[in-house]
Parts: sequence; structure tokens; C-alpha cells
Amino acid sequence: AQTVTQSQPEMSVQEAETVTLSCTYDTSESNYYLFWYKQPPSRQMILVIRQEAYKQQNATENRFSVNFQKAAKSFSLKISDSQLGDTAMYFCAFYAGNNRKLIWGLGTSLAVNP
Amino acid sequence: DTGVSQDPRHKITKRGQNVTFRCDPISEHNRLYWYRQTLGQGPEFLTYFQNEAQLEKSRLLSDRFSAERPKGSFSTLEIQRTEQGDSAMYLCASSLADNQPQHFGDGTRLSIL
Repeated sequence: AQTVTQSQPEMSVQEAETVTLSCTYDTSESNYYLFWYKQPPSRQMILVIRQEAYKQQNATENRFSVNFQKAAKSFSLKISDSQLGDTAMYFCAFYAGNNRKLIWGLGTSLAVNP
Repeated sequence: DTGVSQDPRHKITKRGQNVTFRCDPISEHNRLYWYRQTLGQGPEFLTYFQNEAQLEKSRLLSDRFSAERPKGSFSTLEIQRTEQGDSAMYLCASSLADNQPQHFGDGTRLSIL
């Protein structure tokens, strides 16, 4: 069975600093996709970043970047220069072709403090 | 691209009543997903459509839940004989393809009295 594990239920960071959220997954598939989604309090789920497993280069999106370690089945999210608006739940999600649905982690609640 | 739209935003109803939610996906997206989310948890998959075909339904979904997407555009999710445990946020998402990012609506928050 495919699983996604986020081992940090809660994290906090000071504004302007860098924080890394961890995510590990388990699969026997070789081709798959990984996502980080952000859900601010009482607001919409938003895609942060996407990584294709066949790409060795780590995805980046402005202040957000990932450290994708395929052999270790690890997919961490780094947020640089944290801003107050980054306060949210962050979910790691996994997709493989044998499953039509995303497999979700339980989320990490990130608080950015002024 | 007007985004995924869900209606209503909030629904309060008495236990035992039926409720229906609507989702309008992004117009060119033929994949549509329904999720349920409770406080502090990740989204829980309910069902999935490709165009008008319902291709997958969670085994967690009881017979009280039904979803349709009659013309491959908007979708409805109906819950019959609501129970306290149905209280949750119901999220709809759409995508261009299975491996493409899903775009979410704001959700419908259901409260059962």
C-alpha cells in the first residue's frame, strides 16, 4: 500500500528565517508525482509545488523548494525568507498511475511568528 | 479560469435531513474529485469522475452518499439521512489529467445539529 508520512504535526519559524517540512512516502512504483499543498486557516487548499519522480532536478517555486531524495523516498519542503502569510497547514501528497487518487499525509501546521 | 466553485459555503441542517452540494470545476478540467476533511486532518477521498463517468468511490462511503456529474461539467454530492458524523468540510477539486495538480474549491462546511 502507498502511504505518505509527515512526522511533524506542528512547527514554528520566525519571520524571514528558513524552515524545512519533512515528508516520506512508501511505494513500489517507479513513476509517480509528489505535491505540496498549503491550506491557510479557513481558506482554500492551494498547490505549492510539484515534483515528477523521473526528474532528478529539485523543483523550485520562488521561496519554496523541495529536496527530493528518490532512493530514500523523501520529499521535504523548504520555505526561505518565511512570511506571515505562510502560516498554514501544509500537506504532502503522492500520485501514481495505479491509483487515480492522491494519497495525502496528515499535514504539518506551520506558524510563522513576527 | 474562474477556479473551482462550490455552493453553498455553509450548510446547517438537522440530523436525518438530506443535503445536496454543488461543485463547478474549472471549465476545461474533465477530472473531478470529492473529498471530506475534518478539523486538523488531511482530505479524505470520497469519489472521482472522469467526464460524466464515476470511476472510483471510496469504500468508506456509505450508501447514504451519492454523487453525479450528469453532463461532465458540474457535479452534485448528496447525503441522505444525515448523521452527526457527517459534519465536516466537503471539498471539490478538478484537474486536467490524473497526474496534474488538483485545483480546489473553497469547500462546503456541513454542520449537523
